[in-house]
Amino acid sequence: EDQVTQSPEALRLQEGESSSLNCSYTVSGLRGLFWYRQDPGKGPEFLFTLYSAGEEKEKERLKATLTKKESFLHITAPKPEDSATYLCAVQASGSWGKLQFGAGTQVVVTP
Amino acid sequence: DTAVSQTPKYLVTQMGNDKSIKCEQNLGHDTMYWYKQDSKKFLKIMFSYNNKELIINETVPNRFSPKSPDKAHLNLHINSLELGDSAVYFCASSQEDGIDGYTFGSGTRLTVV
Repeated sequence: EDQVTQSPEALRLQEGESSSLNCSYTVSGLRGLFWYRQDPGKGPEFLFTLYSAGEEKEKERLKATLTKKESFLHITAPKPEDSATYLCAVQASGSWGKLQFGAGTQVVVTP
Repeated sequence: DTAVSQTPKYLVTQMGNDKSIKCEQNLGHDTMYWYKQDSKKFLKIMFSYNNKELIINETVPNRFSPKSPDKAHLNLHINSLELGDSAVYFCASSQEDGIDGYTFGSGTRLTVV
Protein backbone atom coordinates (compact mmCIF):
# COMPACT_ATOMS: atom_id res chain seq x y z
CA GLU A 1 0.00 0.00 0.00
CA ASP A 2 1.19 3.52 -0.80
CA GLN A 3 2.52 5.36 2.21
CA VAL A 4 3.70 8.90 2.93
CA THR A 5 5.51 9.86 6.14
CA GLN A 6 6.48 13.43 6.94
CA SER A 7 8.97 14.64 9.52
CA PRO A 8 9.21 16.48 11.75
CA GLU A 9 5.60 16.85 12.86
CA ALA A 10 6.28 20.42 13.90
CA LEU A 11 9.10 22.90 13.36
CA ARG A 12 9.68 26.23 15.01
CA LEU A 13 12.12 28.57 13.25
CA GLN A 14 13.48 32.01 13.82
CA GLU A 15 13.04 34.38 10.92
CA GLY A 16 15.99 33.83 8.57
CA GLU A 17 16.82 30.37 9.97
CA SER A 18 16.82 27.98 7.00
CA SER A 19 15.63 24.39 7.42
CA SER A 20 14.32 21.33 5.58
CA LEU A 21 11.20 19.21 5.81
CA ASN A 22 11.28 15.54 4.89
CA CYS A 23 8.74 13.40 3.06
CA SER A 24 9.46 9.67 2.81
CA TYR A 25 7.27 7.66 0.49
CA THR A 26 6.61 4.17 -0.76
CA VAL A 27 4.52 3.85 -3.88
CA SER A 28 4.02 1.26 -6.58
CA GLY A 29 5.26 3.44 -9.41
CA LEU A 30 5.37 7.19 -8.95
CA ARG A 31 3.26 9.39 -11.21
CA GLY A 32 4.04 12.50 -9.19
CA LEU A 33 4.99 13.83 -5.75
CA PHE A 34 3.25 16.98 -4.62
CA TRP A 35 3.81 19.68 -2.04
CA TYR A 36 0.93 21.74 -0.75
CA ARG A 37 0.75 24.51 1.84
CA GLN A 38 -2.24 24.74 4.20
CA ASP A 39 -3.05 27.79 6.34
CA PRO A 40 -5.40 27.42 9.33
CA GLY A 41 -9.05 27.31 8.30
CA LYS A 42 -8.22 27.10 4.61
CA GLY A 43 -7.84 24.47 1.94
CA PRO A 44 -4.42 23.27 0.81
CA GLU A 45 -2.69 25.41 -1.79
CA PHE A 46 -0.66 23.71 -4.52
CA LEU A 47 3.07 24.43 -4.55
CA PHE A 48 4.94 21.87 -6.70
CA THR A 49 4.73 18.62 -8.62
CA LEU A 50 7.93 16.56 -8.91
CA TYR A 51 7.93 13.73 -11.43
CA SER A 52 11.22 11.89 -11.22
CA ALA A 53 14.30 11.44 -9.03
CA GLY A 54 16.79 14.26 -9.35
CA GLU A 55 14.18 16.87 -10.16
CA GLU A 56 14.17 20.19 -8.30
CA LYS A 57 11.65 23.03 -8.28
CA GLU A 58 11.76 26.47 -6.66
CA LYS A 59 9.25 29.08 -5.67
CA GLU A 60 10.38 32.14 -3.76
CA ARG A 61 12.03 30.83 -0.56
CA LEU A 62 10.93 27.23 -1.15
CA LYS A 63 12.86 24.55 -3.00
CA ALA A 64 11.64 20.98 -3.42
CA THR A 65 13.88 18.05 -4.34
CA LEU A 66 13.11 14.41 -5.08
CA THR A 67 14.95 11.11 -4.74
CA LYS A 68 13.62 7.59 -5.28
CA LYS A 69 12.56 7.32 -1.64
CA GLU A 70 12.05 10.83 -0.30
CA SER A 71 11.50 14.47 -1.01
CA PHE A 72 12.79 17.50 0.82
CA LEU A 73 11.25 20.92 1.06
CA HIS A 74 13.93 23.47 1.86
CA ILE A 75 12.87 26.79 3.30
CA THR A 76 15.58 29.39 2.84
CA ALA A 77 15.65 32.44 5.13
CA PRO A 78 12.00 31.98 6.13
CA LYS A 79 9.71 34.86 7.00
CA PRO A 80 6.70 34.79 9.37
CA GLU A 81 4.38 34.55 6.37
CA ASP A 82 5.90 31.14 5.60
CA SER A 83 4.19 29.80 8.73
CA ALA A 84 1.79 27.06 7.63
CA THR A 85 1.35 23.30 7.51
CA TYR A 86 3.21 21.78 4.57
CA LEU A 87 1.65 18.66 3.12
CA CYS A 88 3.35 16.07 0.93
CA ALA A 89 1.33 13.74 -1.29
CA VAL A 90 2.00 11.07 -3.90
CA GLN A 91 0.05 9.88 -6.87
CA ALA A 92 0.78 6.35 -7.97
CA SER A 93 0.87 5.28 -11.58
CA GLY A 94 -2.54 3.84 -12.37
CA SER A 95 -4.24 5.65 -9.48
CA TRP A 96 -5.96 8.20 -11.65
CA GLY A 97 -6.40 11.43 -9.74
CA LYS A 98 -5.94 9.91 -6.31
CA LEU A 99 -3.52 11.60 -3.92
CA GLN A 100 -2.16 9.87 -0.82
CA PHE A 101 -1.30 12.61 1.69
CA GLY A 102 1.11 12.63 4.60
CA ALA A 103 0.11 14.09 7.97
CA GLY A 104 1.98 17.32 7.32
CA THR A 105 4.66 19.38 9.03
CA GLN A 106 3.46 22.42 10.92
CA VAL A 107 5.99 25.25 10.52
CA VAL A 108 5.99 28.33 12.74
CA VAL A 109 8.38 31.17 11.89
CA THR A 110 8.86 33.76 14.62
CA PRO A 111 10.17 37.29 14.04
CA ASP B 1 -13.74 35.69 -7.64
CA THR B 2 -13.54 32.37 -5.79
CA ALA B 3 -12.20 29.47 -7.86
CA VAL B 4 -13.65 26.58 -5.81
CA SER B 5 -16.46 27.53 -3.47
CA GLN B 6 -18.16 25.31 -0.92
CA THR B 7 -21.29 25.92 1.09
CA PRO B 8 -21.89 25.95 3.91
CA LYS B 9 -18.60 26.75 5.65
CA TYR B 10 -19.86 25.44 8.96
CA LEU B 11 -22.50 22.82 9.63
CA VAL B 12 -23.64 21.75 13.10
CA THR B 13 -26.30 19.07 13.18
CA GLN B 14 -27.70 16.30 15.32
CA MET B 15 -27.05 12.60 14.93
CA GLY B 16 -29.43 10.94 12.54
CA ASN B 17 -30.04 14.02 10.39
CA ASP B 18 -29.42 14.22 6.65
CA LYS B 19 -27.31 17.07 5.24
CA SER B 20 -25.77 18.24 1.98
CA ILE B 21 -22.64 20.15 1.08
CA LYS B 22 -22.38 21.93 -2.25
CA CYS B 23 -19.32 22.71 -4.33
CA GLU B 24 -18.85 24.78 -7.47
CA GLN B 25 -15.73 25.58 -9.49
CA ASN B 26 -15.28 28.27 -12.12
CA LEU B 27 -11.87 27.17 -13.39
CA GLY B 28 -13.12 25.11 -16.31
CA HIS B 29 -11.63 21.95 -14.78
CA ASP B 30 -13.04 18.57 -15.78
CA THR B 31 -12.35 16.66 -12.54
CA MET B 32 -13.74 17.28 -9.05
CA TYR B 33 -13.06 15.58 -5.72
CA TRP B 34 -14.26 15.23 -2.17
CA TYR B 35 -11.62 14.82 0.54
CA LYS B 36 -12.13 14.36 4.28
CA GLN B 37 -9.70 15.83 6.82
CA ASP B 38 -10.04 14.27 10.23
CA SER B 39 -9.02 15.62 13.63
CA LYS B 40 -5.45 14.40 13.07
CA LYS B 41 -5.31 16.50 9.90
CA PHE B 42 -5.03 13.53 7.55
CA LEU B 43 -6.56 14.28 4.16
CA LYS B 44 -8.20 11.24 2.63
CA ILE B 45 -9.93 10.99 -0.72
CA MET B 46 -13.57 9.98 -0.79
CA PHE B 47 -14.83 10.46 -4.34
CA SER B 48 -13.77 11.83 -7.69
CA TYR B 49 -15.75 12.70 -10.81
CA ASN B 50 -14.36 13.32 -14.26
CA ASN B 51 -16.76 14.91 -16.74
CA LYS B 52 -19.68 13.90 -14.50
CA GLU B 53 -18.52 10.25 -14.38
CA LEU B 54 -17.64 8.67 -11.04
CA ILE B 55 -13.96 7.69 -11.21
CA ILE B 56 -12.92 7.18 -7.60
CA ASN B 57 -15.18 5.71 -4.94
CA GLU B 58 -13.11 4.90 -1.89
CA THR B 59 -14.27 2.76 1.02
CA VAL B 60 -16.86 5.19 2.29
CA PRO B 61 -20.15 4.27 4.03
CA ASN B 62 -23.18 4.11 1.74
CA ARG B 63 -24.63 6.98 3.75
CA PHE B 64 -22.37 9.26 1.69
CA SER B 65 -23.60 9.90 -1.83
CA PRO B 66 -21.95 12.30 -4.26
CA LYS B 67 -23.72 13.85 -7.22
CA SER B 68 -22.28 15.80 -10.12
CA PRO B 69 -25.00 17.51 -12.18
CA ASP B 70 -22.38 19.04 -14.48
CA LYS B 71 -18.60 19.49 -14.71
CA ALA B 72 -18.66 22.61 -12.55
CA HIS B 73 -20.62 21.20 -9.61
CA LEU B 74 -20.14 18.37 -7.16
CA ASN B 75 -22.40 17.87 -4.17
CA LEU B 76 -22.13 15.55 -1.20
CA HIS B 77 -25.20 14.23 0.57
CA ILE B 78 -24.86 12.46 3.89
CA ASN B 79 -27.69 10.41 5.39
CA SER B 80 -28.16 9.42 9.02
CA LEU B 81 -25.23 11.43 10.32
CA GLU B 82 -23.04 9.85 13.00
CA LEU B 83 -20.65 11.38 15.53
CA GLY B 84 -17.70 9.94 13.59
CA ASP B 85 -18.66 11.94 10.51
CA SER B 86 -17.45 15.10 12.25
CA ALA B 87 -14.56 16.42 10.17
CA VAL B 88 -13.64 19.05 7.61
CA TYR B 89 -14.75 18.16 4.10
CA PHE B 90 -12.83 19.68 1.21
CA CYS B 91 -13.92 19.93 -2.37
CA ALA B 92 -11.20 20.23 -5.02
CA SER B 93 -10.91 20.42 -8.77
CA SER B 94 -8.23 19.75 -11.34
CA GLN B 95 -7.61 19.37 -15.02
CA GLU B 96 -7.58 15.66 -15.88
CA ASP B 97 -5.87 13.60 -13.14
CA GLY B 98 -4.53 16.55 -11.20
CA ILE B 99 -0.87 16.05 -12.05
CA ASP B 100 -0.56 19.84 -12.38
CA GLY B 101 -2.12 20.30 -8.97
CA TYR B 102 -5.54 20.51 -7.42
CA THR B 103 -7.35 23.68 -6.43
CA PHE B 104 -9.07 23.17 -3.10
CA GLY B 105 -12.06 24.94 -1.64
CA SER B 106 -11.88 26.41 1.85
CA GLY B 107 -13.65 23.46 3.45
CA THR B 108 -16.87 22.69 5.30
CA ARG B 109 -16.48 21.98 9.00
CA LEU B 110 -19.14 19.43 9.91
CA THR B 111 -19.90 18.87 13.60
CA VAL B 112 -22.33 16.15 14.56
CA VAL B 113 -23.72 16.41 18.11
